[in-house]
Amino acid sequence: QQQVKQSPQSLIVQKGGISIINCAYENTAFDYFPWYQQFPGKGPALLIAIRPDVSEKKEGRFTISFNKSAKQFSLHIMDSQPGDSATYFCAASRREYGNKLVFGAGTILRVKS
Amino acid sequence: KAGVTQTPRYLIKTRGQQVTLSCSPISGHRSVSWYQQTPGQGLQFLFEYFSETQRNKGNFPGRFSGRQFSNSRSEMNVSTLELGDSALYLCASSSGLAGPDTQYFGPGTRLTVL
Repeated sequence: QQQVKQSPQSLIVQKGGISIINCAYENTAFDYFPWYQQFPGKGPALLIAIRPDVSEKKEGRFTISFNKSAKQFSLHIMDSQPGDSATYFCAASRREYGNKLVFGAGTILRVKS
Repeated sequence: KAGVTQTPRYLIKTRGQQVTLSCSPISGHRSVSWYQQTPGQGLQFLFEYFSETQRNKGNFPGRFSGRQFSNSRSEMNVSTLELGDSALYLCASSSGLAGPDTQYFGPGTRLTVL
């Protein structure tokens, strides 16, 4: 019940296109769902996060869509740019876990110019 | 504010040795979490320290241990190193006041076990 499943494993998108990464979770007690972006040689950096009381959250070109009944959430990157090329991780946590994050396996995104 | 710093950045050890990694959180942050990142297992939670006390623990053997000092700096120790311990070890800091909150990751320590 601790798993977060992420897909696809890798993604190639044309510049200006929409990148979509999906995650599914099993533990219905999870109540915090962040997305992290990681560049080579760097630690992950928080991109955007959502809690299950909302179905969508948008910050600039990044949008999280959340479907509580399906236990799924996704990251949409609009107008994808070559600078967005990185590895993206979804994660989940619950209040009782403190700051323990359960991560998905990651998606390597390449945006072609 | 300065970010999370980790030392050393790179480390090479041999099997059976032990190693200590250090993490300095963002000023004012009281929570430090440690993660192991490998190509095969991805990012896995090791443990979290808050105000010098271990608050959460992942599913790692007892060879992995940590501690936190009164200035919130944290160290993790791995004893009797195994080849499979080769990984990027990341620490993340947060205020820790209301979990879960935004965690800021350091650049990691790349440990290679020969």
